[in-house]
Amino acid sequence: RKEVEQDPGPFNVPEGATVAFNCTYSNSASQSFFWYRQDCRKEPKLLMSVYSSGNEDGRFTAQLNRASQYISLLIRDSKLSDSATYLCVVTPPMDSSYKLIFGSGTRLLVRP
Amino acid sequence: DTAVSQTPKYLVTQMGNDKSIKCEQNLGHDTMYWYKQDSKKFLKIMFSYNNKELIINETVPNRFSPKSPDKAHLNLHINSLELGDSAVYFCASSPLARGVDIQYFGAGTRLSVL
Repeated sequence: RKEVEQDPGPFNVPEGATVAFNCTYSNSASQSFFWYRQDCRKEPKLLMSVYSSGNEDGRFTAQLNRASQYISLLIRDSKLSDSATYLCVVTPPMDSSYKLIFGSGTRLLVRP
Repeated sequence: DTAVSQTPKYLVTQMGNDKSIKCEQNLGHDTMYWYKQDSKKFLKIMFSYNNKELIINETVPNRFSPKSPDKAHLNLHINSLELGDSAVYFCASSPLARGVDIQYFGAGTRLSVL
């Protein structure tokens, strides 16, 4: 089983749509959680951290469910510029070396 | 003003050659990383250095050797290149070696081995 699993997509949605991605992780003791965004042929960039209480940043909402070991990202009112690959990222427990473990990404295509 | 810069951006070379990729960060971070992103877009850590000390060394062939002359630089040398080494290599840096921390990535080096 992969450490971090995501639906590869692509999710093809019209502008203005609401779209949600899920991600599951295998290590229940994982420490921190993030969503990164990667545009085509570019580097990954942090989109937002994910907290147990859930957090929102404009049109983006991230949720963490530790009991079920999944993370979600909700994008409201999709824009053309949201087209990208969204990477779910998890860090191991604090007693192991610090590294980011990336999912393989979910591709989003927003069409006019 | 680029925070994490890698050179070269593109690298095309023949099998069996030796090549190096350079990385520099001007963020004052203590920790730097090398990642490999293969054709399936899976991004996987290779190495990490904290203040010039190797702290992460994932299972990679020993043809890959990182070198950190100072905490602002982390270079990657690859010997005897193979077809399977073709990928995009990303350098990254973060302020700390542990804890909740953001990583900042360079623009990547696209390596093609012919």
